Amino acid sequence: EAGVAQSPRYKIIEKRQSVAFWCNPISGHATLYWYQQILGQGPKLLIQFQNNGVVDDSQLPKDRFSAERLKGVDSTLKIQPAKLEDSAVYLCASRGPAASTDTQYFGPGTRLTVL
Amino acid sequence: AQSVSQHNHHVILSEAASLELGCNYSYGGTVNLFWYVQYPGQHLQLLLKYFSGDPLVKGIKGFEAEFIKSKFSFNLRKPSVQWSDTAEYFCAVGAYSSASKIIFGSGTRLSIRP
Repeated sequence: EAGVAQSPRYKIIEKRQSVAFWCNPISGHATLYWYQQILGQGPKLLIQFQNNGVVDDSQLPKDRFSAERLKGVDSTLKIQPAKLEDSAVYLCASRGPAASTDTQYFGPGTRLTVL
Repeated sequence: AQSVSQHNHHVILSEAASLELGCNYSYGGTVNLFWYVQYPGQHLQLLLKYFSGDPLVKGIKGFEAEFIKSKFSFNLRKPSVQWSDTAEYFCAVGAYSSASKIIFGSGTRLSIRP
């Protein structure tokens, strides 16, 4: 079974530029998450999708961050404009439909450096 | 609101030493508890989880964790560590009623001296 795929793996941009990250979850996984992991900290949830609907985006800085999952499969996370403090690893995770298997599977992440 | 505390930021041990990493959480209701591990250059992966039942749970690679409800703790243990256990370890908690969302601690970096 293929895992969660993310691209790109690394991205370097200057502040005020825009950037987009892509995630392809494990096949059949209805729930998709985007996390931000700043160096030295644990992952922080940005947004959670159930199929193509948003379940929780309470910690998403909506003035600059946006995310979508139009067909309930792939998802993109965008930052526009980027700030220095957005430098972090952006992790995508997905979870299967069964409540008894509440395990999130993580992708390799995209390391963003904002100069 | 839920929160997770991992008190040890960096632990250094020699091979064959015993390991215990602390994790305390703050939440008033029933919880699901997790330990995730991130080996150098690899993805975050699940080490073990507690949902209900026996409070002593066993995970992969000889790790175990004990849920002590009265102490709001879920400490990770391994009787004898190996160099390959060098990694970052994250404790996480989820509300039982909202099982799909989990909160992570800040992580503990474990370094094993060969």
